[in-house]
Amino acid sequence: AQSVTQLDSHVSVSEGTPVLLRCNYSSSYSPSLFWYVQHPNKGLQLLLKYTSAATLVKGINGFEAEFKKSETSFHLTKPSAHMSDAAEYFCVVSYYNQGGKLIFGQGTELSVKP
Amino acid sequence: GAGVSQSPSNKVTEKGKDVELRCDPISGHTALYWYRQRLGQGLEFLIYFQGNSAPDKSGLPSDRFSAERTGESVSTLTIQRTQQEDSAVYLCASNRLAGSSYNEQFFGPGTRLTVL
Repeated sequence: AQSVTQLDSHVSVSEGTPVLLRCNYSSSYSPSLFWYVQHPNKGLQLLLKYTSAATLVKGINGFEAEFKKSETSFHLTKPSAHMSDAAEYFCVVSYYNQGGKLIFGQGTELSVKP
Repeated sequence: GAGVSQSPSNKVTEKGKDVELRCDPISGHTALYWYRQRLGQGLEFLIYFQGNSAPDKSGLPSDRFSAERTGESVSTLTIQRTQQEDSAVYLCASNRLAGSSYNEQFFGPGTRLTVL
């Protein structure tokens, strides 16, 4: 079965330091990959998506992710964390032959310390 | 324009009762998806509708779960004889192009279901 694994359930960083949230997906066909963010008591918001164009994808709020086929990874990064980045982050994969349904990772909770 | 809306926002019910959850997708979106998010976990796919095609029900956890969609508009998710393990946030999403893996899915705010 297709799957996606987020390697850390919780990441804590200090404000102003880099953020790295790790994600690996099972390799099959050509995936579309997404990162979604969920702030407390708010809906899911798309941060960025990879759909077989450039391997380095830029998203909103300064986030980036790099698609590495050889490593089956799609890690999310940000050079400098802000307090408002504290939220739950989901790595998500979708395959063209599965009707667009999204397969979610378990989520990584990002805490940002002042 | 208006986003995806869901009702009710919260639902508390007793074990064994039936519940019905509603989703209004973004106008013009042909694909509609239902997901479930249990506490502290990622979202689980339940079912999706694409245009007039037969829905993909592969994610429904049991025959107590069913869903309908009228054309390309409202969808209802029904859970019969609710159990405590059904407690979760039920999220609906829609996207513009039926069955496409490339288009962003827009999520509603969810319905928080609590089964006592």
